[in-house]
Order: sequence, then C-alpha cells, then structure tokens
Amino acid sequence: ETGVTQTPRHLVMGMTNKKSLKCEQHLGHNAMYWYKQSAKKPLELMFVYSLEERVENNSVPSRFSPECPNSSHLFLHLHTLQPEDSALYLCASSQGVSGRTYEQYFGPGTRLTVT
Amino acid sequence: AQSVAQPEDQVNVAEGNPLTVKCTYSVSGNPYLFWYVQYPNRGLQFLLKYITGDNLVKGSYGFEAEFNKSQTSFHLKKPSALVSDSALYFCAVRDMDSSYKLIFGSGTRLLVRP
Repeated sequence: ETGVTQTPRHLVMGMTNKKSLKCEQHLGHNAMYWYKQSAKKPLELMFVYSLEERVENNSVPSRFSPECPNSSHLFLHLHTLQPEDSALYLCASSQGVSGRTYEQYFGPGTRLTVT
Repeated sequence: AQSVAQPEDQVNVAEGNPLTVKCTYSVSGNPYLFWYVQYPNRGLQFLLKYITGDNLVKGSYGFEAEFNKSQTSFHLKKPSALVSDSALYFCAVRDMDSSYKLIFGSGTRLLVRP
C-alpha cells in the first residue's frame, strides 16, 4: 500500500446525482492532487493543493468541485456529470510542491461510471 | 513544448529474459525523470527517479533505468522479467515551468509470458 486511500473504489451515478470522492493520505505530506485517467489518454492533472490552498485548477469544468479541509484529506464533489466524465479518478500526495524532486504517491483510484 | 514519449504501446517478453521499456523526453534544462507502474485496478506506484548524479538509477522490484542525456532517453530495464511484472508502465518528467506538475507518457503495457 502507498499510504493513500480512496473511497469509494467504484461509483455509478446518474447525470443528475451529487456524489463525493474522498482521499486520505497517511504520509504526512503537504500537497495533494486529483488526476483523471481515461482509456487511451494520458493522465490529466485536475487540481493541486498545497497546505490546503489550491494552487492549480487545470481548466476543469465547474461540475467538479474540490475541497481540502486539511493536509490529510481531499474531496472531489461531483454534480450533473456527463457520460464522458466516466474514468478512473486518482488521488496523489507529495511531500511538497516546491521541490522538483518530490515524487507523488497515488491512491488506488475511484472507478466512476456516469449513466 | 515539454513532452514525454513512450513509443511502444506494448512490450512482450518471456519470463527470465531481460526487459526494456522505452521513454524519451523533451524539456528545457536538466530533466527530473520518474517511472511509475500501474497494476490492474490499482493506482500508480512509484518505481524510481533520476534527479542528478549516476546515470544508472536503481529502484523497486529489481528495476533500474538508464539516463542518457545525448539521446534524451530514460529507458526502464530489468535483467530478468517475472510474470508478476506484467502491468502498465508510465514514464514522467517534471514540468520545468511548474514544479508540482508531472508530464506523463501514454503508458506501455508490459506482458511477461511464462
């Protein structure tokens, strides 16, 4: 295990639903990330938080809303999603964001299916 | 533009044989390079990184990678493949304009046959 947990592991939701993805890191890291992994596409960075402040919002539609209440927890709130939003959503953490040498540690992901 | 290329969608190798998964990069300045592995239904796991120093970097599970500046490559290698090495491998380079961003390749699926 990498020290990063995500719940739920699988989620099926309709386009009118509201749901949230949760990520928790047990590594004492200060930075957390959300990525989207779709088939046949490179990983897409969605959001970055450093010390609970958002430092990156990578042109993500407003139907995705992140929340970072503390350095150990990260949420991704979902509402009125589209079928093309179906993907594996990965959370990651790193020791910091300012050091170019920091590797990121990933959670197992949430497999999201939008019907 | 900064980029990472993994030219092979899939690599097939017999168990016990050496394996190589290729990666080339394009960045300005000195690169910071990473390899990750993804097993089915799992997130990415960090394998190794190159920052500076020795061009041959050793990582987890017996993997190593060789940094070649003149060829702008960072190929992943293992002397003797195991069936359990079968997975999806990603090469990544640190974005030189943004210290927290990793630019990932498209991934290479490694299949080790018994």
